[in-house]
Amino acid sequence: EVQVVESGGGLVKPGGSLRLSCAASGFAFSSYSMNWVRQAPGKGLEWVSSISSSGSYIYYADLAKGRFTISRDDAKNSLYLQMNSLRAEDTAIYYCARGGVRYTALADYWGQGTLVTVSS
Amino acid sequence: DIQMTQSPSSLSASVGDRVTITCRANQGISNYLAWYQQKPGKVPKLLIYAASTLQSGVPSRFSGSGSGTDFTLTITSLQPEDVASYYCQKYNSGPFTFGPGTKVDIK
Repeated sequence: EVQVVESGGGLVKPGGSLRLSCAASGFAFSSYSMNWVRQAPGKGLEWVSSISSSGSYIYYADLAKGRFTISRDDAKNSLYLQMNSLRAEDTAIYYCARGGVRYTALADYWGQGTLVTVSS
Repeated sequence: DIQMTQSPSSLSASVGDRVTITCRANQGISNYLAWYQQKPGKVPKLLIYAASTLQSGVPSRFSGSGSGTDFTLTITSLQPEDVASYYCQKYNSGPFTFGPGTKVDIK
């Protein structure tokens, strides 16, 4: 069974940092692109970042450029999102989603999400 | 960057009604368009990809069409379990923008 499980969310002060993790199982992790998508309370889905299966292609939304870094460790079947210089508007549920073998951002399996709250 | 819009932002329809949601890109994206369903309090679910291909397990009352800049998601006979927000997303190239969503309720 395909599973992706996020962790690492929590309460952080503005300007602080947080590292999200996503543990994948039930599929050949190294063959798939992976994605981070967020959803602020009561708002819509917002794409954050994607990484290709090889790690060679990395994409960021403008909201993430210069502040967030996506990475993957295929030996650990894990995806990461390092978030720095956090702002109140980064408060959201952050979802890890499996992308495609062929299409990076076509997300067919989603985790339950991890809540990030940025507040003083 | 390509912007995605959806209309309407919300709708209320009766059980059995035909429901149509529109997604528009401000530049052509061929058929690289996906639809997701998110039920209240739940995780998003992939419904349709390549504009018109149903993901495995999705009921046949859902269908998608379109190419280029204009796309539609149709529910031929709305069911109570279809109450959800629906999002389109472009996935041909980055940024992989979502539309703002359409909330569907039962009248």
